[in-house]
Amino acid sequence: AQTVTQSQPEMSVQEAETVTLSCTYDTSESNYYLFWYKQPPSRQMILVIRQEAYKQQNATENRFSVNFQKAAKSFSLKISDSQLGDTAMYFCASWIQGAQKLVFGQGTRLTINP
Amino acid sequence: DTAVSQTPKYLVTQMGNDKSIKCEQNLGHDTMYWYKQDSKKFLKIMFSYNNKELIINETVPNRFSPKSPDKAHLNLHINSLELGDSAVYFCASSHTYIPSGYNEQFFGPGTRLTVL
Repeated sequence: AQTVTQSQPEMSVQEAETVTLSCTYDTSESNYYLFWYKQPPSRQMILVIRQEAYKQQNATENRFSVNFQKAAKSFSLKISDSQLGDTAMYFCASWIQGAQKLVFGQGTRLTINP
Repeated sequence: DTAVSQTPKYLVTQMGNDKSIKCEQNLGHDTMYWYKQDSKKFLKIMFSYNNKELIINETVPNRFSPKSPDKAHLNLHINSLELGDSAVYFCASSHTYIPSGYNEQFFGPGTRLTVL
């Protein structure tokens, strides 16, 4: 079974600090995609960043970057210069090619304090 | 313009009732999905449709029946509602189903269902 695990239920940092959210996954597929989604209190699911497994270069989107360690099956999200608006639930997810579905981790509740 | 919309946003009902949640997308996508997010925030796929045909049907009670009248709509009908059905239900859509690739999914705002 494909699984995605987020071991940090909650995290809290001060504004402007850098924070890293952890994610590990398990897959038997050679081609897969990994994602980080943000869910603010509004409930809307927002795609933050994606990584294709065949790409060695880590994806970056402005203040958001990932550390993709394929051998270790690790996919962490780094948020630099954190802002109050980054406060949200963050979900790591994996696209299972064979089953054509997204599998989500349990989520990490991130709070940015002023 | 809203890309993926759901109605209603909130639904409170009694156990045993039948209810429907509607989803519409104006993105021209061919594939639509229903997800359930439980009280612990865990998000799991329930169904997916491609061009009005069922692609994925996870282990979901048959009280849940998706219906896709056309490519732009995927409705979720729930019979004999139970307390455990209380959750947030998300609709999503993406471009054409690609066996070897991935197209980004766009999520609706969610429908919070409360069963009393």
